[in-house]
Amino acid sequence: AQTVTQSQPEMSVQEAETVTLSCTYDTSESNYYLFWYKQPPSRQMILVIRQEAYKQQNATENRFSVNFQKAAKSFSLKISDSQLGDTAMYFCAFMTGGADGLTFGKGTHLIIQP
Amino acid sequence: DTEVTQTPKHLVMGMTNKKSLKCEQHMGHRAMYWYKQKAKKPPELMFVYSYEKLSINESVPSRFSPECPNSSLLNLHLHALQPEDSALYLCASSQETGGINIQYFGAGTRLSVL
Repeated sequence: AQTVTQSQPEMSVQEAETVTLSCTYDTSESNYYLFWYKQPPSRQMILVIRQEAYKQQNATENRFSVNFQKAAKSFSLKISDSQLGDTAMYFCAFMTGGADGLTFGKGTHLIIQP
Repeated sequence: DTEVTQTPKHLVMGMTNKKSLKCEQHMGHRAMYWYKQKAKKPPELMFVYSYEKLSINESVPSRFSPECPNSSLLNLHLHALQPEDSALYLCASSQETGGINIQYFGAGTRLSVL
């Protein structure tokens, strides 16, 4: 079984700052995928970024990037130039191949202050 | 278009009622999922349908009965629920692209059991 750990229940930063959310995971699988999802108060889970474990290059999507350390089983999310609209719950998630379900961490509540 | 539509948005039901949650997607995805999310907790996988067949049932009580009538539609039939079943029920769909299944979520149904 896989486990995903997010050790920061809540973080607060000023608008335009850079913030890093941490995530570690544990698995015996060799092939897997990692995701960061965002859930604003509107409830809808929105995919922020994804990383295939077999890829060494860290994924980036505009202001969002990850630091994937496979040996350390670490998958942190960096948000640059944070915006008020980034305020949300952020979940780190793990999935093995195929149509498997996602295993989520407990989430980090990120608050962007004006 | 990455839209997954869930109806109703809110549902209040008594413990003796029978109700159904509906999830629809028109992206041609062949895998669909039900998750349960309690307040301030991460989503937990309930069921996975792959090519309209139930492939994963995470030991969910029989008072929850999933149904996949066709590749675009996923239902969750509810009967004799308990107050502790009150939660946000999220539906997701996915299709393997380039070796990875990315799940897209609906906005959820907020269920209250009285």
